[in-house]
Order: sequence, then structure tokens, then C-alpha cells
Amino acid sequence: GENVEQHPSTLSVQEGDSAVIKCTYSDSASNYFPWYKQELGKRPQLIIDIRSNVGEKKDQRIAVTLNKTAKHFSLHITETQPEDSAVYFCAVSRQALNDYKLSFGAGTTVTVRA
Amino acid sequence: KAGVTQTPRYLIKTRGQQVTLSCSPISGHRSVSWYQQTPGQGLQFLFEYFSETQRNKGNFPGRFSGRQFSNSRSEMNVSTLELGDSALYLCASSSGVTGANVLTFGAGSRLTVL
Repeated sequence: GENVEQHPSTLSVQEGDSAVIKCTYSDSASNYFPWYKQELGKRPQLIIDIRSNVGEKKDQRIAVTLNKTAKHFSLHITETQPEDSAVYFCAVSRQALNDYKLSFGAGTTVTVRA
Repeated sequence: KAGVTQTPRYLIKTRGQQVTLSCSPISGHRSVSWYQQTPGQGLQFLFEYFSETQRNKGNFPGRFSGRQFSNSRSEMNVSTLELGDSALYLCASSSGVTGANVLTFGAGSRLTVL
């Protein structure tokens, strides 16, 4: 199956600073790259996604960049706030040929220090 | 618009028993996927159903099975439970269509096997 590596596994940042999480994948046929946020005891929730026809997407304080040639993509959170503390998962999918499954990274635990 | 509903939310079983979990997708969604979440293995894909047909399957033993009904509701069954089956089982629904296949997760069913 698809191999997705996510780094770092834990990240502690000062409130107001930026956080960056990186993921690499192995399947060059992957064309959909979502990021999910999971707060303690809650369900994973989609926060942003990007498809292979764009290189960058931004939504307020969060952005995702994609480098298909190098097969890596990153999540950027600016001006971090305490409510950004959560586990973040990257995922990849082919979204074609009846293969819509998401392969997830291992997750990054983000702690925002007040 | 109601979200993805999973029942039961919590259950405790003993080794050797079997369990059935239920998932009601968002209205209009035809795809239901199941994932197993554990601290050690992260989020692992079990299977996906689209219009009552299993469209994709992960690398789990045959003890794990599922089905989807004509109203898109899905059930998954685990037979001959093992201690290692203790996990949070998440289902996610989506349109199942390329370009618009955004997964929305339910709150999960937490299974404990004693």
C-alpha cells in the first residue's frame, strides 16, 4: 500500500509562532492530499485539502503546499493559537480507478504554549 | 444537515466474541469507508463501500467484514475477537465521486476486547 511519512511526530510552539508539518509519499499516482485535525477525544476533521493540479492553497491561517515532483507536501499554520493544539494527520489518495482510500501519516501532536 | 452517525459509541467484548458496528452516512453520500485507529498503528483503512458494493479493501484478516445497504447505511463485523482488535473504529462518508470525494468522519465506535 501507499507509504506516507509524516514529520515531526511532536511539535511544541509558542503562541503566535508558526508551525510546519511535512509529509512524503511514495505513489506517484496520488492526486489528493487532505489534512485532518483531531482534538482529544474527537473525530478527525478536514481542515484543508489540495489536489495535484495546484501547488499551494491557503485558508486564513492555514496553508498547504505540494511538490509532486519531490512527492512531498506540507501544512503551514501561522499565528498559532491555543485552540490549534491537536493531532494533525496528512493523507494521500489516488481518487481514481475505484481507489478512493486514504492512506494516513502517523500524525503530529501539536502543542501551542500560551 | 445531519453528520455521520456511528453506533454504538462504546462497547466491551471478550475474546472470541463477535461485534457489529453501524454507520449512517450523510444524506446523499453513497460511499462509506471504515478505518481502525490505534495508538500504535494510527489510522488504517479497512474497506470502502459504494452503492452496496465493496470497492476497496485494506490489509486486514477475513475476520473483518462489512456490508452496505440500499440506503447507504453500512455495518462492519469483526468475528472471533482478539485483544489486538481493541481500537477506535471510524467510519467516513463521501460522495464517492472523483473530484468531490471529501471524507467526513463519524465520532467512532470504541471497542475494548477483554
